[in-house]
Amino acid sequence: KAGVTQTPRYLIKTRGQQVTLSCSPISGHRSVSWYQQTPGQGLQFLFEYFSETQRNKGNFPGRFSGRQFSNSRSEMNVSTLELGDSALYLCASSRGDDTGELFFGEGSRLTVL
Amino acid sequence: GESVGLHLPTLSVQEGDNSIINCAYSNSASDYFIWYKQESGKGPQFIIDIRSNMDKRQGQRVTVLLNKTVKHLSLQIAATQPGDSAVYFCAENSGGYQKVTFGTGTKLQVIP
Repeated sequence: KAGVTQTPRYLIKTRGQQVTLSCSPISGHRSVSWYQQTPGQGLQFLFEYFSETQRNKGNFPGRFSGRQFSNSRSEMNVSTLELGDSALYLCASSRGDDTGELFFGEGSRLTVL
Repeated sequence: GESVGLHLPTLSVQEGDNSIINCAYSNSASDYFIWYKQESGKGPQFIIDIRSNMDKRQGQRVTVLLNKTVKHLSLQIAATQPGDSAVYFCAENSGGYQKVTFGTGTKLQVIP
């Protein structure tokens, strides 16, 4: 079956702009998690959605937001971009249980100039 | 707060040898501990997990050991192959549902 699909794969924005990233989970998976990966901070948890509800949230400012649709697809939005938001944003889907087994997409590489 | 840390940032091993990647964790309440592998340009890939009530679990060429007394987790890879070259992350699921915290990663280099 198809894996996790993230779009766009690469994008360049300037400071102050906003960006929306999209994630299509594996068919049948109801949980979608988002992570930010940078060389300095590693993989950091942003938030997790299950059946359109945010169940968990990491320690990121309110500029980072997300949502999940009824078909389990998810989007995350970053407003008022800062240089430090440059990162690889990874989406992961799962069945939604508590095992920690996540299936990751290849990520969206965001560069903020 | 919660933290998952790694002892070594880079590990070089000869092809065919066994590899051991170590990880320390601090949250005693974690239910699951997981190992992920990330190859260049790809997202992390699940390798194996272990529940907190176990101390050992084996997969294909991989074994995970959990020592709750010293809060230590290790991943053993048997007969390491060039395709095993990647960054390995330990992770824990302690927040319920799918709030997974990742360690800083160990880069495994396999020498042919």
